[in-house]
Amino acid sequence: AQSVTQLDSQVPVFEEAPVELRCNYSSSVSVYLFWYVQYPNQGLQLLLKYLSGSTLVKGINGFEAEFNKSQTSFHLRKPSVHISDTAEYFCAVSLDTGRRALTFGSGTRLQVQP
Amino acid sequence: ETGVTQSPTHLIKTRGQQVTLRCSSQSGHNTVSWYQQALGQGPQFIFQYYREEENGRGNFPPRFSGLQFPNYSSELNVNALELDDSALYLCASRGTAGGRNEQFFGPGTRLTVL
Repeated sequence: AQSVTQLDSQVPVFEEAPVELRCNYSSSVSVYLFWYVQYPNQGLQLLLKYLSGSTLVKGINGFEAEFNKSQTSFHLRKPSVHISDTAEYFCAVSLDTGRRALTFGSGTRLQVQP
Repeated sequence: ETGVTQSPTHLIKTRGQQVTLRCSSQSGHNTVSWYQQALGQGPQFIFQYYREEENGRGNFPPRFSGLQFPNYSSELNVNALELDDSALYLCASRGTAGGRNEQFFGPGTRLTVL
């Protein structure tokens, strides 16, 4: 079975500073990787995904992530954050099969301070 | 193209009761999944329906059941509610072919069990 570990439960950062949210996964087979964002009292919105190809993936709102197979990591980065980026961020994996059920990490709360 | 909608937005029940939550999939999507997100945790996969048949289930007891209708809307039913069933319930739909790798989430139904 696959699992996802998000190493930081909370990440405080000042506005316009860079940020990295860490995600490690475990799986014995190929997986697809995702980052979702959840704003207060809302559902999940897809930020970006890695299916195959280039290991550097660019998403919405200026976010990007790099897939590192040897380290089984998929860290999310943004070079300059805004107050509006304050939200909960979830890393998720799904198997490279038809079912595509997502396994989520426990989430990282990004708190952007002025 | 309409997004994923869920109803109701909030619901309060007492222990032992039964509840039905509803989801309307994104237009053209024939697969729907349901997730439970307890407070402070990542979503957990409950089950998935494809063309009105359950084709995947997470680690949830049989009192969690579902239906998918010909128009691809769906229901999540929970019998004999327990306090630990209090959570945000999310449904997600996905399409076929090139769209099968991305799940679109609804805003969720917040269930409180007293």
